[in-house]
Amino acid sequence: DGGITQSPKYLFRKEGQNVTLSCEQNLNHDAMYWYRQDPGQGLRLIYYSQIVNDFQKGDIAEGYSVSREKKESFPLTVTSAQKNPTAFYLCASSIVGSPLSEAFFGQGTRLTVV
Amino acid sequence: GIQVEQSPPDLILQEGANSTLRCNFSDSVNNLQWFHQNPWGQLINLFYIPSGTKQNGRLSATTVATERYSLLYISSSQTTDSGVYFCAVNVGGTSYGKLTFGQGTILTVHP
Repeated sequence: DGGITQSPKYLFRKEGQNVTLSCEQNLNHDAMYWYRQDPGQGLRLIYYSQIVNDFQKGDIAEGYSVSREKKESFPLTVTSAQKNPTAFYLCASSIVGSPLSEAFFGQGTRLTVV
Repeated sequence: GIQVEQSPPDLILQEGANSTLRCNFSDSVNNLQWFHQNPWGQLINLFYIPSGTKQNGRLSATTVATERYSLLYISSSQTTDSGVYFCAVNVGGTSYGKLTFGQGTILTVHP
């Protein structure tokens, strides 16, 4: 079935460690996105990419890094510079350039700093 | 940037009741989506509706783009409708998944 797969579902990190969240899609979408959700809040955009080997910062990019080496994959690294990394992280994808497109989301990764 | 406001923030219903959720946005938008976030965190697409009216079973949505608001109607609510409902908009460019979200409406349906 076509869709977006995020792994792992739950992730625990010690303070000062970098950690990488995986996002893979088989929808043949060109654009991929990372969002962060804090308790009781809406989602906020971290990074997005419209094409392989290119990506742009969203509203809250500080302390995060991404890569886009393959169309299907858009991993997110939460670095030790991110001051408050405990959150729910959601990956999404969409078609580029069509106003008829809609975004589809993965099931999310819940990151906890211990 | 664009502001997206949802109301009410919380809504408690008895099973079988109808409800209307509202989303106001502060600028013109390219697209608008409604999502339902289930208790496990999954965002489920309900409607892609930059303008006009759509219906899907017990749910329907209307967006009046010229007046910058959208409404989500839930009829004959069921306990499985519980969760958080988000409105999200895209304001430009070619990345239509680059969305600005509202704060959500928390819906609780009691049996």
